[in-house]
Amino acid sequence: GIQVEQSPPDLILQEGANSTLRCNFSDSVNNLQWFHQNPWGQLINLFYIPSGTKQNGRLSATTVATERYSLLYISSSQTTDSGVYFCAVDGGNTPLVFGKGTRLSVIA
Amino acid sequence: DTGVSQDPRHKITKRGQNVTFRCDPISEHNRLYWYRQTLGQGPEFLTYFQNEAQLEKSRLLSDRFSAERPKGSFSTLEIQRTEQGDSAMYLCASIRRYNEQFFGPGTRLTVL
Repeated sequence: GIQVEQSPPDLILQEGANSTLRCNFSDSVNNLQWFHQNPWGQLINLFYIPSGTKQNGRLSATTVATERYSLLYISSSQTTDSGVYFCAVDGGNTPLVFGKGTRLSVIA
Repeated sequence: DTGVSQDPRHKITKRGQNVTFRCDPISEHNRLYWYRQTLGQGPEFLTYFQNEAQLEKSRLLSDRFSAERPKGSFSTLEIQRTEQGDSAMYLCASIRRYNEQFFGPGTRLTVL
């Protein structure tokens, strides 16, 4: 099955700093989603991005499907950005396969 | 709020007891997934419904687990004779077109 690797596993930032999170996947995919899991466990949809680039406020994402990776950019980080960021993919109407996540801590 | 609700949010039970969780997906979505998440890991697939039909089950879903989706609306996940290894967060996802998934808040199960 598809393998998903996320890096870095942990990231500590000063408030206001920028960061880039990476997701590599092992096969072609039909769907790629980025989620933020808050401290209460809720998975919040950030982007549905099987290819191309999208932006939403301070967050943006780029997926290069031909090279099998996606990047999530967080600019001007805030303490509320803390949590775990997951990348998840599927090969076509199949269950999402999640990476292990990047745990982000933003310090004031 | 994703529009997906789960109940209860937390459940503490003793080993050997049965537990049942409920998921209410977004009303116009006819597809639903259940996932399980343990500490430090991403969610893992358990089972999949399209309307009332259970179409796929993971090998993670032992004989002690059963899921239903009567009338293609809400879904239930039951665990019989719970074990300490069942302690996890159980997540339900409601599916839009192109398999875009929206997750409920989860049910956190602790088996003592």
